[in-house]
Amino acid sequence: DTGVSQNPRHKITKRGQNVTFRCDPISEHNRLYWYRQTLGQGPEFLTYFQNEAQLEKSRLLSDRFSAERPKGSFSTLEIQRTEQGDSAMYLCASSPRTVAYNEQFFGPGTRLTVL
Amino acid sequence: GENVEQHPSTLSVQEGDSAVIKCTYSDSASNYFPWYKQELGKRPQLIIDIRSNVGEKKDQRIAVTLNKTAKHFSLHITETQPEDSAVYFCAASIGGGSYIPTFGRGTSLIVHP
Repeated sequence: DTGVSQNPRHKITKRGQNVTFRCDPISEHNRLYWYRQTLGQGPEFLTYFQNEAQLEKSRLLSDRFSAERPKGSFSTLEIQRTEQGDSAMYLCASSPRTVAYNEQFFGPGTRLTVL
Repeated sequence: GENVEQHPSTLSVQEGDSAVIKCTYSDSASNYFPWYKQELGKRPQLIIDIRSNVGEKKDQRIAVTLNKTAKHFSLHITETQPEDSAVYFCAASIGGGSYIPTFGRGTSLIVHP
């Protein structure tokens, strides 16, 4: 499968614990996005990378959230001191280099449940 | 920032009928408008998109129209089939920059056989 992959697919954690998710984009894509999706809502932008540079972060992204893309390939999203309100589907998407072409290819998501 | 409103939130049709989903956007600089289909438990997938230099685009049973003056765009599905049942999201973004899309809240389309 050459699409976007995410791991783990499901994560159940207790409030206050830290969690880390991984996203592997399509190999030739230089743009990578993280979104959060809750039931009945569209994907909500969290952060964006172009290669290894984190170029934008949503104001919704609290200090407990951090993301990295160290070598411009895979990315990780860490949530520290999780809260019940963090329960959601976390989606990763990647997009190709072509300047005028910005279709996003989504991964299957990581569903986080905070107890 | 950009704000995208999507209506209706739920749409129920009989197989063979047409379905129309409408979205409005607020930022006149937005110039790329994709539509994604998300089946239950699956990832969103692009079904059609339109750029601001055209007013309409069609792909088999699916078409999208764009009115830049009024800042609204619509998805039209003709001859609906049960496999069209899914949640559909519209989005708006500005090409040439970071391309970060703002999504609508989604429309749950139910096609009854």
